[in-house]
Amino acid sequence: QSVLTQPPSVSGAPGQRVTISCTGSGSNIGAGYEVHWYQQLPGTAPKLLIYDNDNRPSGVPDRFSGSKSGTSASLAITGLQAEDETDYYCQSYDNRLSGWVFGGGTRLTVL
Amino acid sequence: QVQLMQSGAEVRKPGASVKISCKASGYTFTSYSIHWVRQAPGHGLQWMGWIHGGNGDTKYSQTFKDRLTIVSDASASTAYLELSSLTSEDTAVYFCARAMSTSPFDPWGLGTLVTVSS
Repeated sequence: QSVLTQPPSVSGAPGQRVTISCTGSGSNIGAGYEVHWYQQLPGTAPKLLIYDNDNRPSGVPDRFSGSKSGTSASLAITGLQAEDETDYYCQSYDNRLSGWVFGGGTRLTVL
Repeated sequence: QVQLMQSGAEVRKPGASVKISCKASGYTFTSYSIHWVRQAPGHGLQWMGWIHGGNGDTKYSQTFKDRLTIVSDASASTAYLELSSLTSEDTAVYFCARAMSTSPFDPWGLGTLVTVSS
């Protein structure tokens, strides 16, 4: 049971827009801690995709965007491409656990 | 460029311990922390703990507190994770990652597969 809740899977057709939610609580996202998103291709290490809720590292396409409100955050991907089909994880800090927490991960399928 | 190079795959029997390394390059080791995150086969990411590369301060997840030791050697820009009393549930890929305070983890090492099997 992950502290941050993500849908196990989402899907969309090429060119469409999808969103992945990340729901936390008052001890993590709701406490004001930043949310980060990672993309993990099969058999590889996670790669930073969005940091501090809504910022893209250099090299990440602007098709990817993040937002945060209250105790939740979202990752949006527009103009879906076949290469986007992989796993996505959200992350934040939890002051009740005094440590970092991840969502359970979401598998994106491009139909 | 910033890189984290991890040691190779390990196989251990139940009850044994394992120690894996993460060598940093391309930045000042003492200015950042190294975190350890593991991923069991077919499962998500699980944060284990961190060590500050400068002062050696550590923080462990309560899940592993009694079995986990993280140390570093600043002169070698290397962090180490040691996990004891291994069971089959510890079979996973163990990643190290760089961070500062509550900043995101970036970059990550390639991972070290630890297999626990009798």
